[in-house]
Amino acid sequence: QKEVEQNSGPLSVPEGAIASLNCTYSDRGSQSFFWYRQYSGKSPELIMFIYSNGDKEDGRFTAQLNKASQYVSLLIRDSQPSDSATYLCAVRFTSGTYKYIFGTGTRLKVLA
Amino acid sequence: EAQVTQNPRYLITVTGKKLTVTCSQNMNHEYMSWYRQDPGLGLRQIYYSMNVEVTDKGDVPEGYKVSRKEKRNFPLILESPSPNQTSLYFCASSPGQGAAGETQYFGPGTRLLVL
Repeated sequence: QKEVEQNSGPLSVPEGAIASLNCTYSDRGSQSFFWYRQYSGKSPELIMFIYSNGDKEDGRFTAQLNKASQYVSLLIRDSQPSDSATYLCAVRFTSGTYKYIFGTGTRLKVLA
Repeated sequence: EAQVTQNPRYLITVTGKKLTVTCSQNMNHEYMSWYRQDPGLGLRQIYYSMNVEVTDKGDVPEGYKVSRKEKRNFPLILESPSPNQTSLYFCASSPGQGAAGETQYFGPGTRLLVL
């Protein structure tokens, strides 16, 4: 059974701090890794994806992938109250398919 | 406006009464998928389709059917709904090719209650 694990939180950080969200996955053959944000009562929206080991930056967001340790993380710099949401980690395990496994999400609270 | 639409948005039904939730996208996307979201269990993929007439099972396909007769539509069918199918359902689509193909666009969700 392929799995994606996240700490459910809530993770509370003060405004302006760095929020660090983590995700581990079970299958070493995993291909693509995604971070989605979901506001309460809304649909998930993609923040970024990463394929290769290392860091990928997009504005205030940095995704980090370590395939040897089977984890992917999301850093949010200069956190804002508007970043308060649930962050979903997702993994596409197999190349050539669109089968996704999502984690249960980490709830982030940014305190003003 | 580029979007994924779902209908109905809210539905209350009774056990065993067949229902269909429609999903339509106007972005000419190759890939479409259905998910259900439950507290504590997260978002779980039910079925996905990589193109017209090509569908495959996700993680939780039992009790559901899908069809993809046209590129823009991907209806979810519950032939005999049961209370354990009470959930929030999302349809999603993506271009399906290259890096841009990785972005899934989600519909607004359909909240289903099966009594």
